[in-house]
Amino acid sequence: EDQVTQSPEALRLQEGESSSLNCSYTVSGLRGLFWYRQDPGKGPEFLFTLYSAGEEKEKERLKATLTKKESFLHITAPKPEDSATYLCAVHNAGNMLTFGGGTRLMVKP
Amino acid sequence: DSGVTQTPKHLITATGQRVTLRCSPRSGDLSVYWYQQSLDQGLQFLIQYYNGEERAKGNILERFSAQQFPDLHSELNLSSLELGDSALYFCASSGVGIYNEQFFGPGTRLTVL
Repeated sequence: EDQVTQSPEALRLQEGESSSLNCSYTVSGLRGLFWYRQDPGKGPEFLFTLYSAGEEKEKERLKATLTKKESFLHITAPKPEDSATYLCAVHNAGNMLTFGGGTRLMVKP
Repeated sequence: DSGVTQTPKHLITATGQRVTLRCSPRSGDLSVYWYQQSLDQGLQFLIQYYNGEERAKGNILERFSAQQFPDLHSELNLSSLELGDSALYFCASSGVGIYNEQFFGPGTRLTVL
């Protein structure tokens, strides 16, 4: 059974304090690893797709990286508007998406 | 705005009742997915349809069923509702490639009293 574990569960940062979120996974035939951002009561918003180990993607203050067992979402100089829950998900060969429990990020001004 | 629409936004009903949630995918997307998100379970995949046919099934209860119509909109039917069915229900859609990213709608919040 596919498993996705995200850590930490919650993270408090000061504005400008860079950090990383971790997503560890076990999956039968990885077909893609996805990062989403979710604001309270809203639908997840797509951020990145990573397909193979060594791949990196960047968008504004966010950078996602992938190894064979985990992915990191690096947040550089975060701002309060980056506060949200960040979800990681893996797509397996059976075309099913399994989500992790998320990391709740709070950035204080 | 992802381009995926869901109605209604909120639904309050009683135990034992039946409800229907509706989803319209992004223009051109053939795949529709349904997810349930509760506080203790996180985001759980329920079922996927591709161009009208069931493609993948997750942990969907027998009381729940879905279908995708010729115009590609989808409906999720929940029957014999229980208190534990209270959750956010999301629909997502994706493009032609089967491993493409999924774009989520705003969700329907279901409260069962």
